[in-house]
Amino acid sequence: AQRVTQPEKLLSVFKGAPVELKCNYSYSGSPELFWYVQYSRQRLQLLLRHISRESIKGFTADLNKGETSFHLKKPFAQEEDSAMYYCALGGGGGNKLTFGTGTQLKVEL
Amino acid sequence: NAGVTQTPKFQVLKTGQSMTLQCAQDMNHNSMYWYRQDPGMGLRLIYYSASEGTTDKGEVPNGYNVSRLNKREFSLRLESAAPSQTSVYFCATAVGGAIIYEQYFGPGTRLTVT
Repeated sequence: AQRVTQPEKLLSVFKGAPVELKCNYSYSGSPELFWYVQYSRQRLQLLLRHISRESIKGFTADLNKGETSFHLKKPFAQEEDSAMYYCALGGGGGNKLTFGTGTQLKVEL
Repeated sequence: NAGVTQTPKFQVLKTGQSMTLQCAQDMNHNSMYWYRQDPGMGLRLIYYSASEGTTDKGEVPNGYNVSRLNKREFSLRLESAAPSQTSVYFCATAVGGAIIYEQYFGPGTRLTVT
């Protein structure tokens, strides 16, 4: 069975500090991984996907198949980065996604 | 374009009551999904519809039923609500097909069962 683990429920960092949100996955096939973000009072939206290998709002994520990880990183946190972040794994047919339990990022001034 | 819409936004039910959550999309997407979001549990898939005319159970289907009314609409029904179904419910859509594309989410329905 596929599984996504986000070990931190809450991550607090100061503005300007580096951010790393951890995500580990379990999947027997070739994984499709995503990061979704939910800002306060907004709907869940895609932040980035591993296949695109892009940087969005300064965030990057690298798929490490050896460690089965897809950590989200940003070198300098901004106040507007405060949000709930979900890691998601695609697979299993039906275009389904399996979400992790989420990490609440709080950027303090 | 409204994207993905959900009604109602808020609902309070008493144990045993029934209700239907509505979801509609104008994105011409094939796949539609219902999730519930609970603190510490993340998003869990209740049911999904890979294409019009098909529905399948997700991770937590017990106590729910769905109807894919047409390509645009996908409803979630609680036949006899229980306090354990207190949650925020999200509908989502995706293009569908062999490639896993981005899912687009609705604004959510906050349901309280007393």
